[in-house]
Amino acid sequence: EPEVTQTPSHQVTQMGQEVILRCVPISNHLYFYWYRQILGQKVEFLVSFYNNEISEKSEIFDDQFSVERPDGSNFTLKIRSTKLEDSAMYFCASSEAGQVGGYTFGSGTRLTVV
Amino acid sequence: ILNVEQSPQSLHVQEGDSTNFTCSFPSSNFYALHWYRWETAKSPEALFVMTLNGDEKKKGRISATLNTKEGYSYLYIKGSQPEDSATYLCAFYSGGGADGLTFGKGTHLIIQP
Repeated sequence: EPEVTQTPSHQVTQMGQEVILRCVPISNHLYFYWYRQILGQKVEFLVSFYNNEISEKSEIFDDQFSVERPDGSNFTLKIRSTKLEDSAMYFCASSEAGQVGGYTFGSGTRLTVV
Repeated sequence: ILNVEQSPQSLHVQEGDSTNFTCSFPSSNFYALHWYRWETAKSPEALFVMTLNGDEKKKGRISATLNTKEGYSYLYIKGSQPEDSATYLCAFYSGGGADGLTFGKGTHLIIQP
């Protein structure tokens, strides 16, 4: 069964540092997403990406966040200057059919900002 | 702000019993409703994506119904087994803008042998 892989599984970073979270979506999927879950809260949408550009982004996805698909297989989320409130589990997902197709989620990166 | 509510928050069910739980979502601007099963230490796994009012979908012992006019979906599990223990998430999509999928908090199901 094809998988979405995310690395690292856990990252601890100092406040103010930049982090890059990496994802390898399923190879024939065209739609890519980042979501996050702060401990005890709902899963929240960050950004969707299609055809090499952002298609939707939430209010959370401000200038500190960016996404890239640098080489046709990786899909990265960069947080430029991390804040304590960025601590969360970050999930990458991909979909063959956009929002009318089920997502395949990765197993997540737990980001802890100290 | 879109509001998606799931009830109950948690549920204990005897092995072999059937159960169901609810997802409520806005009844306007409906585009799609997703259900996911999320086992501890794993990633959420897609169960169903439903788009039409009156849709019913089935996967083994699990089925789901959709009422877009009144804004709810039910998930049913027939003859619960220990491997059904998980958190069941629903997520609503309104068709564009800045929301992506809006998730509920989930129903945490524990099957007791």
